Amino acid sequence: AQSVTQLDSQVPVFEEAPVELRCNYSSSVSVYLFWYVQYPNQGLQLLLKYLSGSTLVKGINGFEAEFNKSQTSFHLRKPSVHISDTAEYFCAVSSSFRGGYNKLIFGAGTRLAVHP
Amino acid sequence: DGGITQSPKYLFRKEGQNVTLSCEQNLNHDAMYWYRQDPGQGLRLIYYSQIVNDFQKGDIAEGYSVSREKKESFPLTVTSAQKNPTAFYLCASSMGTGREETQYFGPGTRLLVL
Repeated sequence: AQSVTQLDSQVPVFEEAPVELRCNYSSSVSVYLFWYVQYPNQGLQLLLKYLSGSTLVKGINGFEAEFNKSQTSFHLRKPSVHISDTAEYFCAVSSSFRGGYNKLIFGAGTRLAVHP
Repeated sequence: DGGITQSPKYLFRKEGQNVTLSCEQNLNHDAMYWYRQDPGQGLRLIYYSQIVNDFQKGDIAEGYSVSREKKESFPLTVTSAQKNPTAFYLCASSMGTGREETQYFGPGTRLLVL
């Protein structure tokens, strides 16, 4: 069964500093990977996704992620964070489910706290 | 303006009571989903529906029920059999159910037990 591990439950960082949120997945088949952001008391918003092609994926709000097949990782990065980036970030992998349906398996989330 | 709406934003349940959470989408998506979110646990799938009049159990369906009578609507009922219903509930939809499909989320409903 596929799984997703987000290695840090919380990441504190100062404004304008770079940040990396780590995500590892387990899968024996080709993977589709997603990063979502959740602001307090809101739903999830897609940041970026990897389906195929270039291993460096650019998303919204200046975020990017790199798919590394050999290390089974999909880490999210931003070169300079803003206070407004304070949120919870979820990594997810698309997995085959019963009946031919495909579902998203989510990591436990990483809370990014940007301090002035 | 296309999107997913959930209501109410907050819902209070008394002991032994069934409550229904609303989810509506105007994205013309075929597939819809319900997730439960607990602190530090990510999202867990409750039910999903690939098409009208069809739905399937997810990973934690016990104590919940759904219906899909219209393409736009996928209400979730939290029954009295669900002993620990306090959580944040998120509805999502996608165009199809392929592995590459993006799921779009509503703003959520927070359910609290009195």
